Amino acid sequence: EPEVTQTPSHQVTQMGQEVILRCVPISNHLYFYWYRQILGQKVEFLVSFYNNEISEKSEIFDDQFSVERPDGSNFTLKIRSTKLEDSAMYFCASSDAGRTGELFFGEGSRLTVL
Amino acid sequence: AQTVTQSQPEMSVQEAETVTLSCTYDTSESDYYLFWYKQPPSRQMILVIRQEAYKQQNATENRFSVNFQKAAKSFSLKISDSQLGDAAMYFCALLNYGGSQGNLIFGKGTKLSVKP
Repeated sequence: EPEVTQTPSHQVTQMGQEVILRCVPISNHLYFYWYRQILGQKVEFLVSFYNNEISEKSEIFDDQFSVERPDGSNFTLKIRSTKLEDSAMYFCASSDAGRTGELFFGEGSRLTVL
Repeated sequence: AQTVTQSQPEMSVQEAETVTLSCTYDTSESDYYLFWYKQPPSRQMILVIRQEAYKQQNATENRFSVNFQKAAKSFSLKISDSQLGDAAMYFCALLNYGGSQGNLIFGKGTKLSVKP
């Protein structure tokens, strides 16, 4: 069964460093998303992406964050200068339809910022 | 503001018995969708069941059913004949139809344990 895959599963980085989290969505899906979950807190929406551009972003998704689909298969989340509070589990998701489509999630990438 | 509240951080059920997980939500929209997602340990979240707000009939998927009370803004999940594989975190989520694609509002989750 097709799956959304994410790498790395866990990354440890120093504060101020750049991090790239990678996702391979399900191949025929058109909509892509990043969510994050700080330990003990809710899963929060970061950004949605469709047709090679951001369709919506939350307040969390500030200038230090960016997304791109560099090669038609990968979908990446870049955090330019990591802060301690960026430590979280980051989930990628994809769907084949818009608002009512089921989201398929990856297993998550755990980011630890020291 | 839209919110989703799951008041039970942890629940436990005996194998083969029934358990109900609670969820309440708040939205000013009249058209929306509600979801229950399951996240087994170290695995991805998968959709368990979906309910469209305009439908009065409660959604059912095999052993999983919901009790959708629109006026009370309540959306509980009932798991019948619980199995060991049902042990997981369960997240309730809201998607406003008038909102953006995929901008799910999640609750904090309920950790379900199943005792053999």
